[in-house]
Amino acid sequence: GNSVTQMEGPVTLSEEAFLTINCTYTATGYPSLFWYVQYPGEGLQLLLKATKADDKGSNKGFEATYRKETTSFHLEKGSVQVSDSAVYFCALMKTSYDKVIFGPGTSLSVIP
Amino acid sequence: DTAVSQTPKYLVTQMGNDKSIKCEQNLGHDTMYWYKQDSKKFLKIMFSYNNKELIINETVPNRFSPKSPDKAHLNLHINSLELGDSAVYFCASSQEWRKTYEQYFGPGTRLTVT
Repeated sequence: GNSVTQMEGPVTLSEEAFLTINCTYTATGYPSLFWYVQYPGEGLQLLLKATKADDKGSNKGFEATYRKETTSFHLEKGSVQVSDSAVYFCALMKTSYDKVIFGPGTSLSVIP
Repeated sequence: DTAVSQTPKYLVTQMGNDKSIKCEQNLGHDTMYWYKQDSKKFLKIMFSYNNKELIINETVPNRFSPKSPDKAHLNLHINSLELGDSAVYFCASSQEWRKTYEQYFGPGTRLTVT
C-alpha cells in the first residue's frame, strides 16, 4: 500500500541554520507530493507541492524536489527562523478520490 | 474571511455523553474531510464527502457518524464518548475539479473526554 516515511523528530536548530527534513514514499504510479506545516494551536496548511517527477515546489524559502528515482521529497530551507518552529508533514495523494497519506510529522524547534 | 471554520474550538465532556462538532467551508469546494490527530500529532483520516456523498469511510467505530447537509457543511456526531476519543479533530476541504488536491484545514476542535 501507499505510505510516507519521515525522519523522526524533534529537530532543534539554531536560527539561520540549514534545515533538511527527509521524506520518502511508497506508491505505485505517479502520486502528487505535498509538505504541510502545522503551527502551534492551528490546523495544517499547505507549504508546497509537486505533481510530477523532477518538479520543485517552493514557498517561504522552503524547497522540495520530487525525486522519482529515490522516491523522495526532502524539505530544505537555507536559513531557518524562530517563526519556522512547527510540525511538518510530508504527504502524498494518488487521485482526488483517494485519501491523502500523511507522514507521522516532524517537529521543528528553532532557538534564537 | 475564514475559509474552513469549526465549532466548538474546545469541547470538554464526560464519558458516555453524545456530542457534535460542526464544520463549514466558504471556498466553494465540493469535497470535505474529517481527521483525527492524536497526542503524538499523528493524523488519521476518518471520513470524506464529495457533493454530500460519502466516499471515504475508514475503520472508525460506528459511534462516529458524519452528516453533510450540503456541500459547504460537514458535521461529526459522536455517541457514547470514550476516553480514547480525546484528540484534536480537524475538518478539511478540497476542490477536486482543479486537480491540485491540496486540502484546506480548519483550526481544529480539541475534544477532552473525562
